Amino acid sequence: EAGVVQSPRYKIIEKKQPVAFWCNPISGHNTLYWYLQNLGQGPELLIRYENEEAVDDSQLPKDRFSAERLKGVDSTLKIQPAELGDSAVYLCASSFDTGSIYEQYFGPGTRLTVT
Amino acid sequence: AQSVTQPDIHITVSEGASLELRCNYSYGATPYLFWYVQSPGQGLQLLLKYFSGDTLVQGIKGFEAEFKRSQSSFNLRKPSVHWSDAAEYFCAVGAPDKLIFGTGTRLQVFP
Repeated sequence: EAGVVQSPRYKIIEKKQPVAFWCNPISGHNTLYWYLQNLGQGPELLIRYENEEAVDDSQLPKDRFSAERLKGVDSTLKIQPAELGDSAVYLCASSFDTGSIYEQYFGPGTRLTVT
Repeated sequence: AQSVTQPDIHITVSEGASLELRCNYSYGATPYLFWYVQSPGQGLQLLLKYFSGDTLVQGIKGFEAEFKRSQSSFNLRKPSVHWSDAAEYFCAVGAPDKLIFGTGTRLQVFP
């Protein structure tokens, strides 16, 4: 069984540029999570989807961050415009459903560097 | 508010030595507790979890953890560390609708 796939794995951009990250969850997993992991910190939840619906986006900085999961499978996280402080690892995770919130499977992450 | 503290930022051990990584939590109810490992360039992998019952939990890769309610702790242990155990280790507590992670402990293993 394939795990959670994320791309790109690494991205370097200049500040004020837009950037997008893509996530493909494990097949059959209805719940998808995006996490932010700053250097030396643990992951922090940005947004949680149940199918197409964002059920918890309270920690997503909506002035510059957006996310979508149009068909309830793949998801895209976007930052526009990027700031220096956005340099971090962006992790995607999935679980079968919200009842399995403690059975999350994590992707390898996208390491973003903003210069 | 729920929180997790991992007091040790960095630990170095010799291969074959025993290991204990500390984790303290703050949670009002009976906690769900987890340990994850993150190798360089990899996602987080679940090592073990505690929901209820036996307070000594066995996990993968020879790891175990003990839940001590009186000390609000969930320390991770391994009797003999292998070089491949070098990684970042995260303790987490399960809040009602999310996982809350500690800041991690980086384990370095010397041959």
